[in-house]
Amino acid sequence: GEDVEQSLFLSVREGDSSVINCTYTDSSSTYLYWYKQEPGAGLQLLTYIFSNMDMKQDQRLTVLLNKKDKHLSLRIADTQTGDSAIYFCAPRAGGNQGGKLIFGQGTELSVKP
Amino acid sequence: SQTIHQWPATLVQPVGSPLSLECTVEGTSNPNLYWYRQAAGRGLQLLFYSVGIGQISSEVPQNLSASRPQDRQFILSSKKLLLSDSGFYLCAWSVRRQETQYFGPGTRLLVL
Repeated sequence: GEDVEQSLFLSVREGDSSVINCTYTDSSSTYLYWYKQEPGAGLQLLTYIFSNMDMKQDQRLTVLLNKKDKHLSLRIADTQTGDSAIYFCAPRAGGNQGGKLIFGQGTELSVKP
Repeated sequence: SQTIHQWPATLVQPVGSPLSLECTVEGTSNPNLYWYRQAAGRGLQLLFYSVGIGQISSEVPQNLSASRPQDRQFILSSKKLLLSDSGFYLCAWSVRRQETQYFGPGTRLLVL
């Protein structure tokens, strides 16, 4: 079945850039999402990229997509302590699967002051 | 604007007891609705999705079931809970024929 891989942990200093990486297996994914989850809360949509794009920038967030290598990354510029959370990469499953999202284990970002 | 509600926020239930979790969406019509479970290992697993009233697709065979009695209401049920049913249950919605899913605040279920 489809699979998504992310590093489990990332630690950065406040003000630095954070880069969270993701690899996936479903080459037919049309939309690829990034969600943020704070402790005890639901998932907050951060941004997404359509599969015919290489890059998308949204304020402090930059998403890069390498479709050939099935690699997605999320860069957070000027990382703040409020960015500490778990970040999920979630490609939409291809084919007629009702909009199913495939989640990895998430990357826990820790921002040190 | 659209909002999604889940009830209850937290639930502690004994093994073998029944379960009913509710999800409601406001501010939209004919949404696609989804139930996910997040176990302790953090990954999310899709349990059920629905494209309309009475239309339920199951992703994982288990002792849980889902129902959609109204357009904007999605219910997750069980007749007899197992210890392995413990987890964080998330409901999500999307506009029909569009892609982006928006998640509710979740229900934390502990089965003892």
